[in-house]
Amino acid sequence: AQTVTQSQPEMSVQEAETVTLSCTYDTSENNYYLFWYKQPPSRQMILVIRQEAYKQQNATENRFSVNFQKAAKSFSLKISDSQLGDTAMYFCAFRSVQGAQKLVFGQGTRLTINP
Amino acid sequence: DAGVIQSPRHEVTEMGQEVTLRCKPISGHDYLFWYRQTMMRGLELLIYFNNNVPIDDSGMPEDRFSAKMPNASFSTLKIQPSEPRDSAVYFCASSLSYSPLHFGNGTRLTVT
Repeated sequence: AQTVTQSQPEMSVQEAETVTLSCTYDTSENNYYLFWYKQPPSRQMILVIRQEAYKQQNATENRFSVNFQKAAKSFSLKISDSQLGDTAMYFCAFRSVQGAQKLVFGQGTRLTINP
Repeated sequence: DAGVIQSPRHEVTEMGQEVTLRCKPISGHDYLFWYRQTMMRGLELLIYFNNNVPIDDSGMPEDRFSAKMPNASFSTLKIQPSEPRDSAVYFCASSLSYSPLHFGNGTRLTVT
């Protein structure tokens, strides 16, 4: 079974700084999808960025980018020029493309951006 | 597109009562998921459906929990009888194959 691990329960940075959130996962599959979701205090689950495992190029969405290291099974999220509105829980998630397509979440990292 | 719609947004009930949570997925999506979120256990997958058929219900904690999807546009999660430890936020999400999940706003359930 796939597992997703986020080793940083909490992080805190100053506004405008760059922050990197870590995520590792365990799977025997070669093709799959990885996602980062953001959950602000409103409790909405918002997709931040996605990465297909067969793509070597790291995904980027404006200030958000990932460092996908397939061999190391690592999928970190970098937030550049952090803003107060980035304060939220961030969840890393794995979705298989074979058989069961359930989405498996990590435990989450609580990120606080300080003014 | 209205997104995934869950109701009610909040539910407060007494121990022993039946609770029904409702979900309308995004039209055209063939997967529907029910998750439970608590501080202690994080996001847990309870059950998911593909084309209205339950695929994996191994996350359903007890026989008190049941879920149905009678058609492509509606699903329910029922707890009977409810207990205080069922208090949590329950999320419904839908998706296409190989795609991100789209989540509803969740139902905050409080069982007193």
